Order: sequence, then structure tokens, then C-alpha cells
Amino acid sequence: DAKTTQPNSMESNEEEPVHLPCNHSTISGTDYIHWYRQLPSQGPEYVIHGLTSNVNNRMASLAIAEDRKSSTLILHRATLRDAAVYYCILRDVRNSGGSNYKLTFGKGTLLTVNP
Amino acid sequence: NAGVTQTPKFRVLKTGQSMTLLCAQDMNHEYMYWYRQDPGMGLRLIHYSVGEGTTAKGEVPDGYNVSRLKKQNFLLGLESAAPSQTSVYFCASRQQGASTGELFFGEGSRLTVL
Repeated sequence: DAKTTQPNSMESNEEEPVHLPCNHSTISGTDYIHWYRQLPSQGPEYVIHGLTSNVNNRMASLAIAEDRKSSTLILHRATLRDAAVYYCILRDVRNSGGSNYKLTFGKGTLLTVNP
Repeated sequence: NAGVTQTPKFRVLKTGQSMTLLCAQDMNHEYMYWYRQDPGMGLRLIHYSVGEGTTAKGEVPDGYNVSRLKKQNFLLGLESAAPSQTSVYFCASRQQGASTGELFFGEGSRLTVL
């Protein structure tokens, strides 16, 4: 399975943009890039996902490198509520084998937002 | 909307005791997962199920058993609890299909084994 690498922690100031990086140099052509976040004492929640093109939703933007070996989750204006652990994971959409079904989380990036 | 519900939310066990965690989802999802989360370790997949009556091992399956007798329920069992199984357990579910893949998580079950 392709792996992802994220920094252990990052810090930001409130109302400033935040760029959370993720490296996935062994990504395959059938891997979607997913981002989740986990607020303190809660279960993870979906943020955004993409395959090749950049994606935007109400929570964040996802910028995917042209070679797909890295991606960046962008929070346009960080708030205190955005303080969480952010996970970047890959999901293989091929129908063959169990890899299509397993979703493996790493340790993620702990984002601290300063007031 | 209930989503994914885990019971119990907290439990304290003695070493050697058994227990079952219940995960219920009301979204008619095909896939269900059990993860454990330990401090500084992220989430690790224990077992998962791709449909009623099917289960498969994840990264850390030893010491756990699962069953998916009904589509909406995924049970995680500890036959003989050990202190190493002290953790927060999360259940998740998602729809079948390639385009979405969004996982919906429960609020977690905190288990302490003395």
C-alpha cells in the first residue's frame, strides 16, 4: 500500500491561511487522496478528497501536485475550532483485492491555532 | 440523524474479562471498520467488513474478534482482555463505490483494562 508522510505538528495564527503538506511519492494512478481531521475527544471527520485536479469545498481546498506525489490541504482562514489532528490517507479505488477496502491512517499532523 | 453509534462509550475491565463493543449505523452502508487509537499512534485498523456476513483482518487483529450478522451492526469482541488493549476504539462506515469513499465515524468507546 502507498504510504503518506506528514509533519508531526504545525502552528498557525487565527484568521491566517494554513497549508498542511502531505507527501505520497509511491502513489498509484488509482489512489484517491483523502483528508480527515480529528478534533479533541471526537472521532475523525471527513474534510475533502481528490484524484488529480484541485478541489474546493466549504471546509477547505486540496491542491494536488502535477505528478501527484504530494498534496496540500489549505485552510483559508484558520479558526480556533480548526485546531485538530489532520490525516492524509490514500484510497485505492480498484475493485481487485482487499486494498480497495482498507483505509489506513497514519499519525497525522497536529495543528495548533493561536488566538 | 443518528449516523454511527457506538456502545458503550466507557468501560473498565479486569484482565481476562470479556466484552463486546457494538457499532450501529443507520445509513445502509456496506463497509464497516473498527479502529483503535493510542496516544501518539494515530488510528490503526483492527478488522473491517465489506458486507453482511463478511469480515477481514486489518493491521492489528490479534486479541479481537468481529461479527457482521446484520448489515447495520458490526460487533468487536475481546475474549480475554489484556492491559495492552486499553485504548479508544472507533467504528466507521462508508458507502460502496469509488467516487465518494467518505468514512463516517462514531464518537468512540474508551476502554480501560486493569
